[in-house]
Amino acid sequence: GAVVSQHPSWVICKSGTSVKIECRSLDFQATTMFWYRQFPKQSLMLMATSNEGSKATYEQGVEKDKFLINHASLTLSTLTVTSAHPEDSSFYICSAGRLYTFGSGTRLTVV
Amino acid sequence: GENVEQHPSTLSVQEGDSAVIKCTYSDSASNYFPWYKQELGKRPQLIIDIRSNVGEKKDQRIAVTLNKTAKHFSLHITETQPEDSAVYFCAASIADNNDMRFGAGTRLTVKP
Repeated sequence: GAVVSQHPSWVICKSGTSVKIECRSLDFQATTMFWYRQFPKQSLMLMATSNEGSKATYEQGVEKDKFLINHASLTLSTLTVTSAHPEDSSFYICSAGRLYTFGSGTRLTVV
Repeated sequence: GENVEQHPSTLSVQEGDSAVIKCTYSDSASNYFPWYKQELGKRPQLIIDIRSNVGEKKDQRIAVTLNKTAKHFSLHITETQPEDSAVYFCAASIADNNDMRFGAGTRLTVKP
């Protein structure tokens, strides 16, 4: 149990475009999901807490207008990186559930 | 908010030796302390966890100890093997389904 699916696993996009990442809880309902970002050789940094049916809670320093989060159902949260730039290139990973199960992560490269 | 510090940042041991990684946390309300192993390019994998009502937990070669008074917890790996080489993260959380704060990570290398 407690399987979290994340797609895509990797994506390359052009600077200025937007990218959507999906995080799904496959065998449980998640009223809360968490989005993390991990730069190379660094730790996981919490970006935001996604709340089903309400606005996400963003950590200090994370631009909510740049990283759009939607949690429209109990099994799906999406993170959209808008107007992506090379400095947004990173490993994005979600987690959900009582045991903080992680998705497989998405490696974003902005060229 | 919660602040988790982890030491050392890198650790190199000979195969068969023990490895110890230590973490401290700042929020006394934290009550859940997991440890994750992350291999390059992959998701963190939970290897062991401990809750604040327990002082020690062991699972085969892996053990975790918790000192609530001092607000620190440690990961102990005995009889290390080359496949234990990875980055290990400690974390702390106030309650189930609450956000997790991670330590900076420890890169463990086990030399054959």
